[in-house]
Amino acid sequence: SQQGEEDPQALSIQEGENATMNCSYKTSINNLQWYRQNSGRGLVHLILIRSNEREKHSGRLRVTLDTSKKSSSLLITASRAADTASYFCATDANQGGKLIFGQGTELSVKP
Amino acid sequence: DAGVIQSPRHEVTEMGQEVTLRCKPISGHDYLFWYRQTMMRGLELLIYFNNNVPIDDSGMPEDRFSAKMPNASFSTLKIQPSEPRDSAVYFCASRGTSSTQYFGPGTRLTVL
Repeated sequence: SQQGEEDPQALSIQEGENATMNCSYKTSINNLQWYRQNSGRGLVHLILIRSNEREKHSGRLRVTLDTSKKSSSLLITASRAADTASYFCATDANQGGKLIFGQGTELSVKP
Repeated sequence: DAGVIQSPRHEVTEMGQEVTLRCKPISGHDYLFWYRQTMMRGLELLIYFNNNVPIDDSGMPEDRFSAKMPNASFSTLKIQPSEPRDSAVYFCASRGTSSTQYFGPGTRLTVL
């Protein structure tokens, strides 16, 4: 199965609320990344967290990493309708340069 | 700087026809990845190259699929003959020294 598995598969919230998405993986990693995909577009890199980091912030994004539990979470604070997209986690497990992507969480933010 | 460029953006073809998808990676990037995305199977890695050499093609579904990278600025993914189940969005991505990947806009393929 996929290295990265995300939860929930779909999330619907109101504008202004926070959105939390979780990712679990199976093997040791160098880093974990989150990507965003708007409908019909390519994936866009959001943030990277290294295996020796526990938390990272970028604007309204907060990512945590727990290597003991092999899990990560992405928090989007004060969500906006424009945050509506699919969000993917991807792990770099030192497998020859490739990333392993999860199945994604579909986020819908209602105005 | 231009991002990853893919062409065509949309392709509609009939079963049995040959399809060629094209990708120009970001200049200076030495890895190139081909992905396929469908509702049923999600995002699948088909094949990737490092310095124009195929590293892992284990994701290529069958012999009907082939990919080439004749130089650092161009790659093709070919399907011959195409089948309706090949209908999907095909993405090309590239990366440099960081493991962050940069995706193209995708080619939406419909095989009738």
